[in-house]
Amino acid sequence: QSALTQPASVSGSPGQSITISCTGTSSDIGGYNYVSWYQQHPGKAPKLMIFEVSNRPSGLSNRFSGSKSGNTASLTISGLQAEDEADYYCSSYTNSGTYVFGDGTKVIVL
Amino acid sequence: QVQLQESGPGLVKPSETLSLTCTVSGDSIDNSYWSWMRQPPGRGLEWMGHVHYTGRPKYNPSLQSRVTISVDTSKTQFSLRLNSVTAADTAVYYCAKFGNGGQLDYWGQGALVTVSS
Repeated sequence: QSALTQPASVSGSPGQSITISCTGTSSDIGGYNYVSWYQQHPGKAPKLMIFEVSNRPSGLSNRFSGSKSGNTASLTISGLQAEDEADYYCSSYTNSGTYVFGDGTKVIVL
Repeated sequence: QVQLQESGPGLVKPSETLSLTCTVSGDSIDNSYWSWMRQPPGRGLEWMGHVHYTGRPKYNPSLQSRVTISVDTSKTQFSLRLNSVTAADTAVYYCAKFGNGGQLDYWGQGALVTVSS
């Protein structure tokens, strides 16, 4: 199975909004709503940010939102803050009953 | 509060078997699916497989021939075995718990395993 496609990096200034894309196929993202997003700071374990395309875990800031159109899922961070600088990974269930991650996107706060 | 902790050797010789255990606290291991991921230094995450105590494990096709994931309900642990390791298997290995929506909602801190003679 091939990794989902994400941009290598996305940057923005504090207060701005940025969007990270995650492109798969009809066998994964396009076929299921089991898309998740994870944030990972250097040397730390990943942290769940979004599940089932657009749901936020309890207590997570509403600055993070998710969506999906066709075979592409997106994570939007609004009101960008310095602490949002991290790597972000998408993940999807596949029609083989397996899971696949994206390549990862480095978010840079200018 | 659900907590997961990986344990096992940090150094494995080439061609040998990598073995890690994940100890779960704060939740019953009967309730969920449990998963292993890995992350080579400086690279992205790779899903390795998952297991439920009632069913057959599911593995990443690229690792299918070398990986075994199993559950020990008496010890509230689940384990990873990866055979015939090479330097390419050097990575931080994470265990995690699946939520109902296919999300990994609790993760261990990760365990670095280096494959070297």
